[in-house]
Amino acid sequence: SAVISQKPSRDICQRGTSLTIQCQVDSQVTMMFWYRQQPGQSLTLIATANQGSEATYESGFVIDKFPISRPNLTFSTLTVSNMSPEDSSIYLCSVVSATGSQEAFFGQGTRLTVV
Amino acid sequence: AQSVTQLGSHVSVSEGALVLLRCNYSSSVPPYLFWYVQYPNQGLQLLLKYTSAATLVKGINGFEAEFKKSETSFHLTKPSAHMSDAAEYFCAVSLKGGFQKLVFGTGTRLLVSP
Repeated sequence: SAVISQKPSRDICQRGTSLTIQCQVDSQVTMMFWYRQQPGQSLTLIATANQGSEATYESGFVIDKFPISRPNLTFSTLTVSNMSPEDSSIYLCSVVSATGSQEAFFGQGTRLTVV
Repeated sequence: AQSVTQLGSHVSVSEGALVLLRCNYSSSVPPYLFWYVQYPNQGLQLLLKYTSAATLVKGINGFEAEFKKSETSFHLTKPSAHMSDAAEYFCAVSLKGGFQKLVFGTGTRLLVSP
């Protein structure tokens, strides 16, 4: 299995500011993803974090709002830019291991509140 | 496009009773299907997965699910509920037939009463 450390676990931010969330995995993984879980709702895929290249964004999500980096196989960051209250959500990092069952593992999430 | 529908945002059962959480999917290609559980303030944990092998899949904590192609369903069951089963349950389908990008249902909160 893969152990995912996500930081911060929660934050309260002022509108108009930006927050960078970190995702660190204890083993090399093939795929890393970022999901958003809005209050009372399900998970929606934001983007696939690609090592050494630009992330692949899903419909409705853009790089200017959610810039993503993945400098190596075990680390990625998601930035929520120019935040508004509508960005208040839980953001989750997910990884698929390079070996074994290829099961998708999830971090504990970052609970973001924008005021 | 693939999608998942979970019937019932909340399901309440008594401890020891049967648990049935419903999931129907839509997919233009043979899907991979998953059930995840989310405990309060925690990430998601995989309960079980269907990957076109046996249609009856057994998972952790006594849960199982049956893939029924004719009904496009993948309902989650457990014969006897335990208090510790109280959580949010998500059904998900893989976008590319693999363990990668997932499309999630809206979730079902399971409440277990003594």
